[in-house]
Amino acid sequence: QQQVKQSPQSLIVQKGGIPIINCAYENTAFDYFPWYQQFPGKGPALLIAIRPDVSEKKEGRFTISFNKSAKQFSLHIMDSQPGDSATYFCAASIGSGGSNYKLTFGKGTLLTVNP
Amino acid sequence: GAGVSQSPRYKVAKRGQDVALRCDPISGHVSLFWYQQALGQGPEFLTYFQNEAQLDKSGLPSDRFFAERPEGSVSTLKIQRTQQEDSAVYLCASSPPFGYEQYFGPGTRLTVT
Repeated sequence: QQQVKQSPQSLIVQKGGIPIINCAYENTAFDYFPWYQQFPGKGPALLIAIRPDVSEKKEGRFTISFNKSAKQFSLHIMDSQPGDSATYFCAASIGSGGSNYKLTFGKGTLLTVNP
Repeated sequence: GAGVSQSPRYKVAKRGQDVALRCDPISGHVSLFWYQQALGQGPEFLTYFQNEAQLDKSGLPSDRFFAERPEGSVSTLKIQRTQQEDSAVYLCASSPPFGYEQYFGPGTRLTVT
């Protein structure tokens, strides 16, 4: 049972475009939703994260939109650049006593930003 | 400061050999996680430590997998009698006290031939 479903599997945009990656989750106990960026041969790097008490969070060119009732969240990348070409993973976890706990990841989206 | 480090970065093992993968978390991080990432997939949880206590090992795929963190900092993931299906990237992540963020190391790519 895949608890976090991510789409699309791959995405190609032109420089300056706004790619949108979507994730849906099943477990209503999830209360922490991060996005990671991974380049080939590297470990995942934390980009931005959101808790369910807010519907949107922006950090630089990255925005998370969160819809608790629909159990969905998405990543928007503003003014995308070729250097943003990477694989993006959404994830979710259940916090325990204020500490993070194991992350459940989506399958990833391979983003290509053409110059 | 220094991030999470893992060694070796690459490991080739013949089927049936034992391997040991090391993780050095960020200093002061009490929580440590191991994940397995198959080619083209998202990381999957293996096990979790809080300090030296292994609180969750539900993701370990078989009893050939063993992890330890005896002094609450460095951790070792050991795989006994490696099989071809064990080929993957093994990622370590650490998390600060009362923090939600998990910071990943570069991973160890294990290839079993």
